[in-house]
Amino acid sequence: QKEVEQNSGPLSVPEGAIASLNCTYSDRGSQSFFWYRQYSGKSPELIMFIYSNGDKEDGRFTAQLNKASQYVSLLIRDSQPSDSATYLCAAFQGAQKLVFGQGTRLTINP
Amino acid sequence: SQTIHQWPATLVQPVGSPLSLECTVEGTSNPNLYWYRQAAGRGLQLLFYSVGIGQISSEVPQNLSASRPQDRQFILSSKKLLLSDSGFYLCAWSGDRGEQYFGPGTRLTVT
Repeated sequence: QKEVEQNSGPLSVPEGAIASLNCTYSDRGSQSFFWYRQYSGKSPELIMFIYSNGDKEDGRFTAQLNKASQYVSLLIRDSQPSDSATYLCAAFQGAQKLVFGQGTRLTINP
Repeated sequence: SQTIHQWPATLVQPVGSPLSLECTVEGTSNPNLYWYRQAAGRGLQLLFYSVGIGQISSEVPQNLSASRPQDRQFILSSKKLLLSDSGFYLCAWSGDRGEQYFGPGTRLTVT
């Protein structure tokens, strides 16, 4: 079964530090990857997507993709308490579906 | 811009009662639509998806069903709810690159 794996956490990071969230995927044919942020009790919100090997930066967020290692990561610089949430990694599986990881719960400590 | 609506926001239903959750999308035509369920503290479980009117693909055998009577309307139903149907139900539509955008969700508690 094609899977996306994430460490469930919780991951605790001090305010102002870099938070690093990791994700691996099993389907080597996956081409597109997405990061979602989900606050407690709310629906997931798309924050980053990446298609090509390397880094993609958007404000304080950087997504990294290494297709050879089947590895995706999300870095959050200058972490803020408002970044505390669960982060979901997803891979586009084709057949119009995304495969989601179980999510990593991130806590930013003031 | 595109907007996705879900209602109701919360629902408390007794075991054995019927269910109907509705999702509508604005600002896009012929979207792919999805129903997910998220149990407390768990990941997203894809229940159904639809690539067009009347076209429904089921991912998990269960007592739920879905229908798409109009291009931008997606309905999740059950004839008899089970306790295990409790959860956070999310509707989503997909963009051109496979990304999905979620509605606000319906929190269902079956008692």
